[in-house]
Amino acid sequence: DAGVTQSPTHLIKTRGQQVTLRCSPKSGHDTVSWYQQALGQGPQFIFQYYEEEERQRGNFPDRFSGHQFPNYSSELNVNALLLGDSALYLCASSIGQGGIYEQYFGPGTRLTVT
Amino acid sequence: GENVEQHPSTLSVQEGDSAVIKCTYSDSASNYFPWYKQELGKRPQLIIDIRSNVGEKKDQRIAVTLNKTAKHFSLHITETQPEDSAVYFCAAGVRTGNTPLVFGKGTRLSVIA
Repeated sequence: DAGVTQSPTHLIKTRGQQVTLRCSPKSGHDTVSWYQQALGQGPQFIFQYYEEEERQRGNFPDRFSGHQFPNYSSELNVNALLLGDSALYLCASSIGQGGIYEQYFGPGTRLTVT
Repeated sequence: GENVEQHPSTLSVQEGDSAVIKCTYSDSASNYFPWYKQELGKRPQLIIDIRSNVGEKKDQRIAVTLNKTAKHFSLHITETQPEDSAVYFCAAGVRTGNTPLVFGKGTRLSVIA
C-alpha cells in the first residue's frame, strides 16, 4: 500500500521565479491538503482539494495556487517567489469531503529561495 | 479562527520517566484533536488522535486526554525511550465545515539515556 509521495524532494529557486510541487495521495484517499512548514514551526494550512476543487483555503496570498487531477494527485504552484517562501512544503491526504480525520503526510519538498 | 497554543516548547526527560505535553484551543466547535511526531528531516506521523465525544484514549505507552470545558488536551508518554525523541505537534479542527486543521508550534522532546 503506497503512502503519500511528493516530488521533488529538494528545490532551489531564485526570487521572482515560479515553482510547481507535486503530491500523490495514499491509496484510497481522495482529499489532498497542502501545508507550509517554516523552520521550527508547525505546519500552516495553505489549501485543500477535493473532487478537483479548492474546498478550503488558509491565509496565503493568491501567488499560491493549486490543482487536483482526476486520479486525486495534486500540484501546488507558487508564483513570484519571495525569500520568505523558503520552507518545507508538505501535502497530506485523507478521505472524504473536507476530511481532516487521519491526515497522512508525505515526506515534503524542501524549497529554498535565494 | 482556531488558535492552538502548545507547551512546553522544549522538554527533556530521563529514559523511563513520563512526558506530558499540553495544548489549548480557542474554537469550541473543534471536535478532532490529532497528535503528530516529527523526527529530524522526516514527515510528521500521526501517532494518536481523539474526537470530542471521548475524554481519553490510550495506545500502549501513549495516551491523550481531552477537557472540552476547559478547551485543552494533553499527550502523555509513559516509560519514555530514546526513540521517543522528536518534535511533537498537536492540532485541532472541525470534522465537517470549512475550517482547516490548525497546528501548535511543537514541542521538542529529548529523552536522555
